Amino acid sequence: KAGVTQTPRYLIKTRGQQVTLSCSPISGHRSVSWYQQTPGQGLQFLFEYFSETQRNKGNFPGRFSGRQFSNSRSEMNVSTLELGDSALYLCASSLADGTDTQYFGPGTRLTVL
Amino acid sequence: GESVGLHLPTLSVQEGDNSIINCAYSNSASDYFIWYKQESGKGPQFIIDIRSNMDKRQGQRVTVLLNKTVKHLSLQIAATQPGDSAVYFCAERETSGSRLTFGEGTQLTVNP
Repeated sequence: KAGVTQTPRYLIKTRGQQVTLSCSPISGHRSVSWYQQTPGQGLQFLFEYFSETQRNKGNFPGRFSGRQFSNSRSEMNVSTLELGDSALYLCASSLADGTDTQYFGPGTRLTVL
Repeated sequence: GESVGLHLPTLSVQEGDNSIINCAYSNSASDYFIWYKQESGKGPQFIIDIRSNMDKRQGQRVTVLLNKTVKHLSLQIAATQPGDSAVYFCAERETSGSRLTFGEGTQLTVNP
């Protein structure tokens, strides 16, 4: 069974731009969570989607948003990019509603110049 | 907010030795704990998990110990191999939620 896939793997943007990242969960998994990983802050929870509904949200500004489609694929969007948004963005999927094991994708490395 | 932290940021061991990575957590509402391994350029890889109604769980070459009294978690790796070199994260989760709270990570280096 294929794992979690994320596209693109690498992205370079400039300040003020917006970006959309995509995540395809493991087949059959309905919950998708997003995390931001930086050297200074570590791994931080962004939000979680289950059945196209946001179930949980972390402490990030409104510039960070996401959505989930009927096939469980998810996208996250960051608007008005700032230098501090440079990070590895990780997507994790789980079978049910996120209360079971979360499996991570390889991440999207975003660099904001 | 609540946080999970690691005692040692780096750990260096000889190939064949046993490794112990420690983690302290502060959220008494957490009931599920996971260890992940992250290699350079990859996402975190699930290693082993444990629920709060257990104090020990074993996998292949790995054992997780949970001490709820002192809010401490440890990962033991037996016969450590060079392929075990990576950053190891502990994470915790509350009963009612899906959010994982991660520790800062420990860099494990295995010397041949």
